Amino acid sequence: EPEVTQTPSHQVTQMGQEVILRCVPISNHLYFYWYRQILGQKVEFLVSFYNNEISEKSEIFDDQFSVERPDGSNFTLKIRSTKLEDSAMYFCASRFDSSEQYFGPGTRLTVT
Amino acid sequence: QQQVKQSPQSLIVQKGGISIINCAYENTAFDYFPWYQQFPGKGPALLIAIRPDVSEKKEGRFTISFNKSAKQFSLHIMDSQPGDSATYFCAASMNTGFQKLVFGTGTRLLVSP
Repeated sequence: EPEVTQTPSHQVTQMGQEVILRCVPISNHLYFYWYRQILGQKVEFLVSFYNNEISEKSEIFDDQFSVERPDGSNFTLKIRSTKLEDSAMYFCASRFDSSEQYFGPGTRLTVT
Repeated sequence: QQQVKQSPQSLIVQKGGISIINCAYENTAFDYFPWYQQFPGKGPALLIAIRPDVSEKKEGRFTISFNKSAKQFSLHIMDSQPGDSATYFCAASMNTGFQKLVFGTGTRLLVSP
């Protein structure tokens, strides 16, 4: 069964460093998302991406964040200068045409 | 208006019992209501979803009940098993736009043997 994959599973970085989180969505999907889940809290929407551009972003998704689909398979989230409060699980999700979004296993980002 | 309220925060159910988790929303533009199951250290997995044109949807032991007038929906897990122990999130999205999911706060379910 096709699934969304994410790498790395765990990323530790120092405050102020840049990180890139990678996702491979399900191959025929058209819509891509990043969500964040701070430990013990609910899942929060960050950004949606369609047709090679951002379609919607939340107030969390400030100028420190960017997304890119550099080729036909990868979808990346970059945080330019990480802060302690960026520590969270980051989930990539994708969907084809229906409403069903499928989530990856997540990347745990720890900022020290 | 974008919030989805979920209760209870945690739930303990005996094996074989019925687990019931409730959600409420305000935004009448929401028209897709999925439930996700999340195990520790894993991503949310789509469990079952419903649209407002039906009042109930059943898949195996999992049933969503939907009350459009009250703007509430609930997940019922029949014959709960220890393997069902997980965190459950309700969510909602609109059919217009790019359908970002708005999640509830989650319910940690523990099914005791």
